[in-house]
Amino acid sequence: EPEVTQTPSHQVTQMGQEVILRCVPISNHLYFYWYRQILGQKVEFLVSFYNNEISEKSEIFDDQFSVERPDGSNFTLKIRSTKLEDSAMYFCASSGPTSAGSFGWFFGPGTRLTVL
Amino acid sequence: GEDVEQSLFLSVREGDSSVINCTYTDSSSTYLYWYKQEPGAGLQLLTYIFSNMDMKQDQRLTVLLNKKDKHLSLRIADTQTGDSAIYFCAESIDSNYQLIWGAGTKLIIKP
Repeated sequence: EPEVTQTPSHQVTQMGQEVILRCVPISNHLYFYWYRQILGQKVEFLVSFYNNEISEKSEIFDDQFSVERPDGSNFTLKIRSTKLEDSAMYFCASSGPTSAGSFGWFFGPGTRLTVL
Repeated sequence: GEDVEQSLFLSVREGDSSVINCTYTDSSSTYLYWYKQEPGAGLQLLTYIFSNMDMKQDQRLTVLLNKKDKHLSLRIADTQTGDSAIYFCAESIDSNYQLIWGAGTKLIIKP
């Protein structure tokens, strides 16, 4: 089964710095997402992306966040000026058909972002 | 608003069946999912069920859906130590709409 991949696995940054989290979704999927999970809390939706534009975003996804699909394979999440409360595990996901002919959501292994 | 509730912990003996329960509030939910998260790992899709189904079985996993009560359960038969993980219930009203997550149930296996 194809996988969603994410890099880096762990990112440490200083407050106020910009970070870019990278994801390679499954190649024949058309919908892409970012979720985050603050330690000990629920998984939260950030943004969904379809046809090269944001299709939906949550209240968390403010002006400090942006997403981009710079080429045919990568999907990135940028945080312009990180805050301490941005420390979390960030999961990329894509949705689409599976090899078994059904439908699925697939998540990457996550990037742990630590803001100091 | 939309909400998904799960109990935080479940402890079972190795070899017994585990039943993890979930309730949701959005009656328009169409897709309901179970994800597994092992320590330090990502979110692995275990199974999903459409809202027009009552049950789905996949090897050791059985999903039961009571749409009237908005109750979803995941039964793991013959629970093994490798089943130790956090299990998340999630719902969506559309196949490509955002997932709404429960807080996760930590499954603890006793020898």
